[in-house]
Amino acid sequence: DTAVSQTPKYLVTQMGNDKSIKCEQNLGHDTMYWYKQDSKKFLKIMFSYNNKELIINETVPNRFSPKSPDKAHLNLHINSLELGDSAVYFCASSLDGQGRAGELFFGEGSRLTVL
Amino acid sequence: GDSVTQMEGPVTLSEEAFLTINCTYTATGYPSLFWYVQYPGEGLQLLLKATKADDKGSNKGFEATYRKETTSFHLEKGSVQVSDSAVYFCALRRYGQNFVFGPGTRLSVLP
Repeated sequence: DTAVSQTPKYLVTQMGNDKSIKCEQNLGHDTMYWYKQDSKKFLKIMFSYNNKELIINETVPNRFSPKSPDKAHLNLHINSLELGDSAVYFCASSLDGQGRAGELFFGEGSRLTVL
Repeated sequence: GDSVTQMEGPVTLSEEAFLTINCTYTATGYPSLFWYVQYPGEGLQLLLKATKADDKGSNKGFEATYRKETTSFHLEKGSVQVSDSAVYFCALRRYGQNFVFGPGTRLSVLP
């Protein structure tokens, strides 16, 4: 079983459209994240959720909205897509309770191309 | 704030060569240190980690030692293979804080 799975793996769309990327983890982790990786492989954290509460928002545009229906899922919705949104988006999770600074487990990524 | 610096590469080596990728960090307190690897078309995978000073993390022939006196966590491998071609990320994490990643180092190993 895949530990952190995200869909779709590839997404090609037009400027101005709205799209969503879904993520699920079956590790029993308590924190989930969304990262954006640009063409130079630089990683930028976008959001994290701990027990359904947003705990980090790194000043991303409000066109991006994370939604977590439960502890095992964290979806990313993007409104009014722009060319600069083209990137690979990674979902990740970690177990951070009880004094841990848990390691990150990543999904395989969703490559978004905005035309 | 916390930060991680690593050689950006690309690094190109011949098979069986010795590999070093330098990583230095700036952080308050005692962070845990990590190396992640990203193979083409895949997500990042944890390669190794160290949680306190002088700890050595190792996996798949790779090693890195947590050096607090030099604030470094250099990645080494004695003999690289073509299959090691990937992007390598150094990272740190303090308790209660988010991960801080370096910019990544692309490694190409030629047969």
